[in-house]
Parts: sequence; structure tokens; C-alpha cells
Amino acid sequence: QLVLTQSPSASASLGASVKLTCTLSSGHSSYAIAWHQQQPEKGPRYLMKLNSDGSHSKGDGIPDRFSGSSSGAERYLTISSLQSEDEADYYCQTWGTGTHVVFGGGTKLTVL
Amino acid sequence: EVQLVESGGGLVKPGGSLRLSCAASGFTFSSYSMNWVRQAPGKGLEWVSSISSSSSYIYYADSVKGRFTISRDNAKNSLYLQMNSLRAEDTAVYYCARDIAARPGDAFDIWGQGTMVTVSS
Repeated sequence: QLVLTQSPSASASLGASVKLTCTLSSGHSSYAIAWHQQQPEKGPRYLMKLNSDGSHSKGDGIPDRFSGSSSGAERYLTISSLQSEDEADYYCQTWGTGTHVVFGGGTKLTVL
Repeated sequence: EVQLVESGGGLVKPGGSLRLSCAASGFTFSSYSMNWVRQAPGKGLEWVSSISSSSSYIYYADSVKGRFTISRDNAKNSLYLQMNSLRAEDTAVYYCARDIAARPGDAFDIWGQGTMVTVSS
């Protein structure tokens, strides 16, 4: 079964960097994912599509501070030079044959 | 400007029906798969349904299969979600989202602002 697992919360200081993790379920380590940001009281915003080899394509207007990387079944979103507006929920998304779409449970990022 | 605008949400009684619409602008609507995603109050995102660019491929989450129907009108640049036999657990903000590709099964790269559906007596 295709499942994405995310830590419920993360925190980092203003100006620092943070690395969020999304883990694909067993047998699905080759799958691409997408990262989305949801600021409070807003709709989600597409950040990037991230492939298993770590290559990624970002959405229009997404700052260079946002980057993605991969290792095995793990997909990462790194945000550098954290700003207050980066405080948001971050969701990963993937898709399988069928085609069922799956979202991770989301990580709530707090900027200290 | 690429934009998706949902409408049609509201308060409905259990067992009732509602039709959501999503108006697309700023891109060639007929070239992309489209999707509905919902978010219950205080919860995460849940995929609801997908439809390919020409309506040839349609998929539903098990939680709505047999009750919800997705459709599109490429001439009107519009996406729809007909929701029947509504339950309290269908209460959520409903978002439409564009797929990167023509056929379902890829990242969602454009999102609307959402429309709230409340199912309550």
C-alpha cells in the first residue's frame, strides 16, 4: 500500500535552515513526490516535484531558499534562511497506478 | 494569471446534494487533468477525485466512490463535483487542483482557494 509518512511538527530559528522528511512506504522507493506549502487560512501552494534521483522542478516564483533531495525512500525539503512567512504546514504528495493520489499527514513548521 | 476559483459550497443536511464548480483561467484548460482535494477542519489534505483532460480517465477515493461524480466542460473551462448522499464526514474545504499532465498521475501544480462544505442537520 502506497503511504507517505511525515513528522507532525518541526521547528527552527529565524534565519536558520530546516530539513523536512517525507518517507515512502516499502516497495515504493522509486516514486516521485511533490511538496506543497499551506500557510494559515490559505489554500495549498505547489513548491516542487522531486524525483527519486534528487532532481526537482520548482513551481513558478518559488525562492531558491527551497530545495529538494532524495535518499532511498526518503524525500527531503530543505528551507534555508528561514523567514517568518515560512511558518506553515508542508505536505508531500505522490501518485500510483490506478491512479490513486496520496498525501502525507503534513508537517507543521514553526519558525522560532 | 493562472487561476482556479471554486464555488458552490454551503450548508447542506445529511443525505442532501451539492454541486461544486471550479472556474479555470490563464491556461489551456483542455490540456490538463484536474482534481478535487478536500481538507476537513483541522486535518490534512485528502484526495477526492481526478479526471483526465478529455474525461477518458476518472478516479475516485474509496470514501466517495458511488456518491460523488467528477466532470468537466472544456468549452466552459470548468470542473465540477456532484456530491450526493452527503455525510457529516464530508464536511471540509474542497479545493480544485491542476495536474501537471494531461493524464492523471502526477504533481498538482496549481490550487484554488477552496470552498467550504458543511454537512449538518
